[in-house]
Amino acid sequence: QSVLTQPPSASGTPGQRVTISCSGTSSDIGSFTVHWYQQLPGAAPRLLIYNGNQRPSGVPGRFSSSRSGTSASLAISGLQSEDEADYYCAAWHDSLQGPVFGGGTKLTVL
Amino acid sequence: QVQLQESGPGLVKPSETLSLTCIVSGDSVSANYWSWIRQPPGKGLEWIGYFSYTGATNYSPSLKSRVTISVDTSKNQFSLKLTSVTAADTAVYYCTKGSGNKALDYWGQGTLVTVS
Repeated sequence: QSVLTQPPSASGTPGQRVTISCSGTSSDIGSFTVHWYQQLPGAAPRLLIYNGNQRPSGVPGRFSSSRSGTSASLAISGLQSEDEADYYCAAWHDSLQGPVFGGGTKLTVL
Repeated sequence: QVQLQESGPGLVKPSETLSLTCIVSGDSVSANYWSWIRQPPGKGLEWIGYFSYTGATNYSPSLKSRVTISVDTSKNQFSLKLTSVTAADTAVYYCTKGSGNKALDYWGQGTLVTVS
């Protein structure tokens, strides 16, 4: 069972805006920045969003993130077929002194 | 460009020790922090442990009694040893680089280790 809670699935049509939620506690999301990872089918995860809302080079501006209290969300605007992937949220955990992950959300582009 | 490459046996017998190495290029293992993450087939990501440039190591409590992460600065690589493996340890194992904000900004391609 994952420490952070994500919905197992999400879907949208091309061009639509979709959001994926991530719920944690005061020991993780409530105290540390949230990072998001994208895992395309058959590939390793890659960093998608870091420090709450920063994007590594090469990640389109369609991806954004926000945090409120012990929850965070990833938003994808202008959904494209290549966005079909698994998305994971993560945050440092105070007592574990290591990262904790959400269970992942499988995004389907209809 | 930072690159990480895992290597090691793809098949390990139950009760034996899983050993993997991660060769790093484009950065020094003497800087930042370096982690192992695993992903059982069809499941999510699980942090195994890390070591940092300060020399500190830390492991997931659920694996701590069986895990050792070590570094070889002369070869710019780091290693994972997991003892007394069972079928539950079957997973794709990733080595990763962590930045100062603890984001895992570079990942290896992953290597599937089957315990059977």
